[in-house]
Amino acid sequence: DGGITQSPKYLFRKEGQNVTLSCEQNLNHDAMYWYRQDPGQGLRLIYYSQIVNDFQKGDIAEGYSVSREKKESFPLTVTSAQKNPTAFYLCASSPRPIGNEQFFGPGTRLTVL
Amino acid sequence: ILNVEQSPQSLHVQEGDSTNFTCSFPSSNFYALHWYRWETAKSPEALFVMTLNGDEKKKGRISATLNTKEGYSYLYIKGSQPEDSATYLCAFYNQGGKLIFGQGTELSVKP
Repeated sequence: DGGITQSPKYLFRKEGQNVTLSCEQNLNHDAMYWYRQDPGQGLRLIYYSQIVNDFQKGDIAEGYSVSREKKESFPLTVTSAQKNPTAFYLCASSPRPIGNEQFFGPGTRLTVL
Repeated sequence: ILNVEQSPQSLHVQEGDSTNFTCSFPSSNFYALHWYRWETAKSPEALFVMTLNGDEKKKGRISATLNTKEGYSYLYIKGSQPEDSATYLCAFYNQGGKLIFGQGTELSVKP
């Protein structure tokens, strides 16, 4: 079945450690996105990529990094520079052209202790 | 950061009631307006993608309208059912390729 997978579902890390969240899609979509959700807030865009080997910062990119070496994969690294990393992280993808609906993964809940 | 505002934040209705939500967005640099439904323990799923001023779309008991000149969209649910309980998100797609979400309207439908 085609879809988006994120792993793991729950992740615990100690403060000061970098952690990488996985996002894989087999929908052959060009664009991929990372969002963060905090209680009482909407989804906020961290990074997005319209094509392989290219990505742009979203509204809250500080303390995060991404790579897009393959069309299927868009991993997100939460670095120790991110001041408040505990949150729910959603990955999404969409086909070209821009403006098409986004398809979401199941999310990863990251807790930094 | 461009603001996308949704109201109300939460809504509690009885089964059979009809309801509607509002999404306000910037009227400049408009490309598309999306509505998503996000049920608990599931991923958000697209309901509508709207691009033209005056667009009206319908899916079963749910419909949506779009006014790009004044920057608002309405989502209507006719005869709400318990399975409609979810958070409804609207998102504004600007011409730069970014999708900006509102904070959502949480709907609870009691049997």
